[in-house]
Amino acid sequence: DAMVIQNPRYQVTQFGKPVTLSCSQTLNHNVMYWYQQKSSQAPKLLFHYYDKDFNNEADTPDNFQSRRPNTSFCFLDIRSPGLGDAAMYLCATAESSYNEQFFGPGTRLTVL
Amino acid sequence: DQQVKQNSPSLSVQEGRISILNCDYTNSMFDYFLWYKKYPAEGPTFLISISSIKDKNEDGRFTVFLNKSAKHLSLHIVPSQPGDSAVYFCAASEGAAGNKLTFGGGTRVLVKP
Repeated sequence: DAMVIQNPRYQVTQFGKPVTLSCSQTLNHNVMYWYQQKSSQAPKLLFHYYDKDFNNEADTPDNFQSRRPNTSFCFLDIRSPGLGDAAMYLCATAESSYNEQFFGPGTRLTVL
Repeated sequence: DQQVKQNSPSLSVQEGRISILNCDYTNSMFDYFLWYKKYPAEGPTFLISISSIKDKNEDGRFTVFLNKSAKHLSLHIVPSQPGDSAVYFCAASEGAAGNKLTFGGGTRVLVKP
């Protein structure tokens, strides 16, 4: 089945220790998104790739970076996680012709 | 500045009855609206959508209504089933297809057997 996969599902890191979350897709969609969702809040878009073009949201902290080495994979790097970065991180994809986004199961990040 | 708001954080309904979830938006440029359903420990899954050129879209037990003048949309689930218990997010986008979504805060629905 075509899908969006996120690894790991649960990630624990220490304050200030860099962490990388990964997302892969078999849908061959050209748009990939990273969202941050804190408890009982709306998912908040961090950035997205349209093909290789990177689009950062204005309020996304510099601490968050992303890489998309090819169509299938996208990575979220948090250079120095703070306690406030503990959240669910959701990856989503979309075919550029449609608005529907397909989400992965998310990675829950805990910062100790 | 919340452009998409779901003012009811939770909703409890009896199995077989209608669930009505509401969503308000402020950005008049939004022209496409979606509802997502989310179970615990899973990512949101697409449920139903509506374009601003329509005022109603139906898919099985799910119907979405759009009132552009009021900047309001609603999701009706009839009849509600216990498996519908989840968090429902309203989302909106503007402009060309494939644009980013702006989400509401979600409504947690509990369907009681």
